[in-house]
Amino acid sequence: KAGVTQTPRYLIKTRGQQVTLSCSPISGHRSVSWYQQTPGQGLQFLFEYFSETQRNKGNFPGRFSGRQFSNSRSEMNVSTLELGDSALYLCASSLWLAGGDEQFFGPGTRLTVL
Amino acid sequence: QKEVEQNSGPLSVPEGAIASLNCTYSDRGSQSFFWYRQYSGKSPELIMSIYSNGDQEDGRFTAQLNKASQYVSLLIRDSQPSDSATYLCAVNVSGGGADGLTFGKGTHLIIQP
Repeated sequence: KAGVTQTPRYLIKTRGQQVTLSCSPISGHRSVSWYQQTPGQGLQFLFEYFSETQRNKGNFPGRFSGRQFSNSRSEMNVSTLELGDSALYLCASSLWLAGGDEQFFGPGTRLTVL
Repeated sequence: QKEVEQNSGPLSVPEGAIASLNCTYSDRGSQSFFWYRQYSGKSPELIMSIYSNGDQEDGRFTAQLNKASQYVSLLIRDSQPSDSATYLCAVNVSGGGADGLTFGKGTHLIIQP
């Protein structure tokens, strides 16, 4: 069974731009969660989508948003990019709601904001 | 505020020995506990899940959970150089996973040949 895939793998943007990242979960998995990983803050939860609805949200500004499609694929968008948004963005899929369920991570998208 | 604490290391262990990694968490309502391994430049890989007090074994890995003391540990037996990585402890409050997984900062493990 194919794992979680994320595209693109690398992105370079400038401040003020916006970016869209894509995630395809493991086949049959219905929940997709997004995380941001930085050297200073570690892994931090952004949000979770299940059945096309945002179920949970972490402590990030409204510039960070996402959505999920009927095939469970998910996208996240960051608008008005700031230097501090440079990070590895990871998506993780789970069979059911992420609460208590095992989550499997994709390879990540490395975003650099100049 | 939910917190997960890990010693950042590095923890240096000779090849063939047992590596012991520890994690404490602050939220008594936590129900699900996970250990991830992350190699440099790679994404986290799930290696163990544990949901109830006691030990959970999978090959060379044993996860131990003590909810009363709010700690979870990971033992790696017969450590191999390929086990050198950062190990992340993750905790979730079930019932919808209100905040997703809360991760510790990770312990950097070095297995010395």
